[in-house]
Amino acid sequence: DIQMTQSPSSLSASVGDRVTITCRASQGIRNDVGWYQQKPGKAPKRLIYAASSLQSGVPSRFSGSGSGAEFTLTISSLQPEDFATYYCLQHKTYPLTFGPGTKVDIK
Amino acid sequence: EVQLLESGGGLVQPGGSLRLSCAASGFIISNSAMSWVRQAPGKGLEWVSVISADGYTTFYADSVKGRFTISRDTSKDRLYLQMNSLTAEDTALYYCAKGAASTGGFDSWGQGTLVTVSS
Repeated sequence: DIQMTQSPSSLSASVGDRVTITCRASQGIRNDVGWYQQKPGKAPKRLIYAASSLQSGVPSRFSGSGSGAEFTLTISSLQPEDFATYYCLQHKTYPLTFGPGTKVDIK
Repeated sequence: EVQLLESGGGLVQPGGSLRLSCAASGFIISNSAMSWVRQAPGKGLEWVSVISADGYTTFYADSVKGRFTISRDTSKDRLYLQMNSLTAEDTALYYCAKGAASTGGFDSWGQGTLVTVSS
């Protein structure tokens, strides 16, 4: 099975900050990664697919990069509505695996 | 508009069974792979199972293999998860998720149905 790790597990940031979250796969997964945002009490929502493509309707301050085994999600200027938990997901092979999540909260 | 509505959750005793249902609208489930994803209270997301768009192929997480069965009824656009031999570790919010055919991953999620396994 492919293991996904994320760092950091949590971070505190201020509105306007640039935030970067990293996801690493235990083996190469090409660009078969997506990033999901989950707010408390809500279902996850996809932000990025194919490592770097922005989901329709998602603000352009979100971006993704990487390929192979290391991927990043960047929020260029953190907004109040961005405080949430972020997960990466590999879909190269079954079983699909999520990263453990990164909680972004207010400093 | 794609909508997914889960139902069937509840309180069940250890060793018991439960069948979850997911009603899909706004698309045809036979055109998409469909998955179940769960989230234990206060924990992260765990993929559980998938059924392929053609309905012939299924996969399961090791944690549920042999106990859970995914199925669908294309005439009703419904997805199911039959859960047997439940344990406390199966306590979670269960989401139905639509596979994104051309991009992988999930492009739509339901709001989830809560399963609590406790005596």
